[in-house]
Amino acid sequence: EAEVAQSPRYKITEKSQAVAFWCDPISGHATLYWYRQILGQGPELLVQFQDESVVDDSQLPKDRFSAERLKGVDSTLKIQPAELGDSAMYLCASSLVDLSSYNEQFFGPGTRLTVL
Amino acid sequence: ELKVEQNPLFLSMQEGKNYTIYCNYSTTSDRLYWYRQDPGKSLESLFVLLSNGAVKQEGRLMASLDTKARLSTLHITAAVHDLSATYFCAVEWGGSEKLVFGKGTKLTVNP
Repeated sequence: EAEVAQSPRYKITEKSQAVAFWCDPISGHATLYWYRQILGQGPELLVQFQDESVVDDSQLPKDRFSAERLKGVDSTLKIQPAELGDSAMYLCASSLVDLSSYNEQFFGPGTRLTVL
Repeated sequence: ELKVEQNPLFLSMQEGKNYTIYCNYSTTSDRLYWYRQDPGKSLESLFVLLSNGAVKQEGRLMASLDTKARLSTLHITAAVHDLSATYFCAVEWGGSEKLVFGKGTKLTVNP
């Protein structure tokens, strides 16, 4: 069964360091999402891609976060410099664009980030 | 701005009992999703509700959607321990495919 892949699964870093997360969506899924989930909260959308283009990054803290999906397939989310408040689970999801139907999002296993 | 509220946020129930989780949202939407999350794990899709009056059932869980009341319910019948998890509702906003999640309901089913 096709799944969204993410790596690393866990990352511990010190404040002010740079970190990067990778996501490989389900093959054929044109839409890719990055979410941040703080412990005890629901996921919050950071950025949405349609192929290689950013559709929505209104909640992405652009002073320190960046995201790219250069070839419209896999994607990287970067934080530089990391802050204590960035400790969270970072989830990647993908969906198949189907204008005649809904766009169910499938989530990857997530990357648990701890900033010390 | 779309707001999604779930209640209760915490639910402790005994095996064999029934209960309902509520999901209210603030603006018009025809698409609502329910997800399950086990501790330290990702989100698993449970139900997709696409229109007013939609009802979906899987095992001991049944979800419904009332778009006029902006309300979805997740009903648990004869709970078992394996249902212990956090359940999230998510509402699709304005046809943009953007999902806004509730804070989740942490369900604990006790023997």
